[in-house]
Amino acid sequence: DAKTTQPTSMDCAEGRAANLPCNHSTISGNEYVYWYRQIHSQGPQYIIHGLKNNETNEMASLIITEDRKSSTLILPHATLRDTAVYYCIVRGPLIFFQGAQKLVFGQGTRLTINP
Amino acid sequence: EPEVTQTPSHQVTQMGQEVILRCVPISNHLYFYWYRQILGQKVEFLVSFYNNEISEKSEIFDDQFSVERPDGSNFTLKIRSTKLEDSAMYFCATFPPGRLLEQYFGPGTRLTVT
Repeated sequence: DAKTTQPTSMDCAEGRAANLPCNHSTISGNEYVYWYRQIHSQGPQYIIHGLKNNETNEMASLIITEDRKSSTLILPHATLRDTAVYYCIVRGPLIFFQGAQKLVFGQGTRLTINP
Repeated sequence: EPEVTQTPSHQVTQMGQEVILRCVPISNHLYFYWYRQILGQKVEFLVSFYNNEISEKSEIFDDQFSVERPDGSNFTLKIRSTKLEDSAMYFCATFPPGRLLEQYFGPGTRLTVT
């Protein structure tokens, strides 16, 4: 799996958009970009994933550059409850009868939302 | 609503004892994963399990660990003889039906070995 690089920590004001960058310059053509977050010691929470196109769901938007070497997770209106460690993970596709490959977590970005 | 629940939420055991951690899916799942997170460290992959067989395991998953699906529904992780360094959060993960690209994690079991 390709390696990712994220800033160690970021701050954002409540109500503003939080933009979390991730570099994955060695990503392969069939690898997806995933974002998870972990609040305190809770189980990691799935946020969003994408392959080439930008994606949006009820939680966030994912912007992937055209060369796919980097991406940005956008939380459009951050709240205090968005304070967490955010993980950008690159993973290969599902292999039927074997399952999708494991998730390899890095240190992530510790995002603090300030009131 | 969570795809999986885990029991117990917290387990305290003495070194050398056996522990069994349980993962209970809400609906029928074929794929299961176990991860662990030592306090202050990264989430680490332990083992993946598909169709009642281990499909991949990490170096951490040595002979002290085993997984099984005893009743076709629950999914268990057993540590035969716990060590102090086994103290960690243990997370089970699986996929929602029809959404095999989204891995969902349970709330975890905090294992404390004394």
